[in-house]
Amino acid sequence: QQPVQSPQAVILREGEDAVINCSSSKALYSVHWYRQKHGEAPVFLMILLKGGEQKGHEKISASFNEKKQQSSLYLTASQLSYSGTYFCGTEGRGQGGSEKLVFGKGTKLTVNP
Amino acid sequence: GAVVSQHPSRVICKSGTSVKIECRSLDFQATTMFWYRQFPKQSLMLMATSNEGSKATYEQGVEKDKFLINHASLTLSTLTVTSAHPEDSSFYICSASRGSVSSYEQYFGPGTRLTVT
Repeated sequence: QQPVQSPQAVILREGEDAVINCSSSKALYSVHWYRQKHGEAPVFLMILLKGGEQKGHEKISASFNEKKQQSSLYLTASQLSYSGTYFCGTEGRGQGGSEKLVFGKGTKLTVNP
Repeated sequence: GAVVSQHPSRVICKSGTSVKIECRSLDFQATTMFWYRQFPKQSLMLMATSNEGSKATYEQGVEKDKFLINHASLTLSTLTVTSAHPEDSSFYICSASRGSVSSYEQYFGPGTRLTVT
């Protein structure tokens, strides 16, 4: 049920690009992306709902493939402020059938000067 | 984005005592609030889902008598760790959502770092 994220960690120099992947064995209704800095709470980046959708947020964008089983987060011309751990979240069912968000294990991104 | 506050941000307590953590959505009414626990360098693990006016739904393996959740209003949920032990030390984070989990983003509080001595 937990989505699989890759890579686990990536180290960049300022200005370089990175791609973080999130995949599931079953078709998803949506994919959420969050970034968490050390000691802080996660911050929402974006949500993708449609197969084939691409969405951008400044130099951070994401795509959702047609089969809705994989999403990728693209960070271009990375800045120091991009450092943190990125989590994707996908829908799941909790006890009693309640909806919940299941997070991947995270990808730690370090951007160095 | 919406604002969710959490209080206290840090708390140190002695083993056997209880600790209450408050989570408030400041600028919107949250249909659902969630409580997560996060160990160092690990992902967020959902503990329970809280809906206003109804009993919380706990995830498998989470003791409902130990982690008491009260959702008094559409803007306030509380988590009480009863008879805390050192193994309860962790980072607890709440989140709030305007609608269904799949379609709406979750807004996270700043988290509470609990240390039980």
